[in-house]
Amino acid sequence: DAGITQSPRYKITETGRQVTLMCHQTWSHSYMFWYRQDLGHGLRLIYYSAAADITDKGEVPDGYVVSRSKTENFPLTLESATRSQTSVYFCAAQPGTGAYGYTFGSGTRLTVV
Amino acid sequence: AQRVTQPEKLLSVFKGAPVELKCNYSYSGSPELFWYVQYSRQRLQLLLRHISRESIKGFTADLNKGETSFHLKKPFAQEEDSAMYYCALDSWGKLQFGAGTQVVVTP
Repeated sequence: DAGITQSPRYKITETGRQVTLMCHQTWSHSYMFWYRQDLGHGLRLIYYSAAADITDKGEVPDGYVVSRSKTENFPLTLESATRSQTSVYFCAAQPGTGAYGYTFGSGTRLTVV
Repeated sequence: AQRVTQPEKLLSVFKGAPVELKCNYSYSGSPELFWYVQYSRQRLQLLLRHISRESIKGFTADLNKGETSFHLKKPFAQEEDSAMYYCALDSWGKLQFGAGTQVVVTP
């Protein structure tokens, strides 16, 4: 039961580069989410998706793009990376909108230099 | 506006002592609340959901609507409880997290 897989686990990129973080779930959960984790801020929602081809902005979407052509994949792209996007990124999934709670991936630690 | 507040950034307790992590929320509807735990550099794991009224790893949490609180408690802390703890509020299927409380249990 792999659950949610994120790749890469660690990434160093240069300012201005485009970088894509991958997220794959082995279930068919409808809802998927991207959060960034920063000290003092907890986790903040970047984007979420209610189903394939349905995405919406969260609290901090600027500088990020998502797509969801297949239910199981939800990649997050930083179009032109900035140092302020240095963070740990977590993908999560949930079956529906009930109080199930999320299942999280292992995270991607991204450093922008 | 919805908000989750965890007032303590760091909580240091001795092994065997009680531990209480505070969580306050603001929400206009009927809240769905959770506690998540993150051990060192690992993924977040669901610890408790208030609707299930479970006790996991000795932790309990009671929703107090009058005080808008959902504090997490454990009567006897263990060293393996050292971790980051997040309180979260479900808002239309999206979780809003508090800033987190780092718990350090010393022997």
